[in-house]
Amino acid sequence: DGGITQSPKYLFRKEGQNVTLSCEQNLNHDAMYWYRQDPGQGLRLIYYSQIVNDFQKGDIAEGYSVSREKKESFPLTVTSAQKNPTAFYLCASTRSYTDTQYFGPGTRLTVL
Amino acid sequence: AQSVTQLGSHVSVSEGALVLLRCNYSSSVPPYLFWYVQYPNQGLQLLLKYTSAATLVKGINGFEAEFKKSETSFHLTKPSAHMSDAAEYFCAVSPNTGFQKLVFGTGTRLLVSP
Repeated sequence: DGGITQSPKYLFRKEGQNVTLSCEQNLNHDAMYWYRQDPGQGLRLIYYSQIVNDFQKGDIAEGYSVSREKKESFPLTVTSAQKNPTAFYLCASTRSYTDTQYFGPGTRLTVL
Repeated sequence: AQSVTQLGSHVSVSEGALVLLRCNYSSSVPPYLFWYVQYPNQGLQLLLKYTSAATLVKGINGFEAEFKKSETSFHLTKPSAHMSDAAEYFCAVSPNTGFQKLVFGTGTRLLVSP
């Protein structure tokens, strides 16, 4: 079964800790994306990557970091510098960066 | 710059009634337009997309949307609502060339009553 997997589904973090969210795809897609979703605000782009070893900041990159060492994987680290990290995080991928985006099931991060 | 406005954060219909979810866009270049659906605590699923071919676009689960350039609208409709249609719906816009950077609306929650 091809698809996008995100883990864990729920994540709890203490203030001041970094945490890494996993996103893996077996669709052989070149491009991958991270979005943040807050109630009543729609989705906002954090980072995106068009190819391996390359990524660009989106609209709200401050306090986040990513890596793209493998085509299948695009992990997102939420650092302690992110002032309000509690949110639902969605990963997406596309065959090419001009193609329609398909989304994973999401990770809900809660800072305690 | 591109933006999307979804009128109504909540829409309530009865089962069997017409569903109409409104989306207006602003774009300085010809747009691609999308409707996505999200069930609770899940990712987004593509319902349909407009990519400058036919202005009436048919999607999954009986939904369709019509691109009206003169009204800068891309409203989503379904003739007869089912209970399973209860979800949140997002309209999104991107430029029709190059990187498809999606700009999302704030979403409309559809409530379906028996």
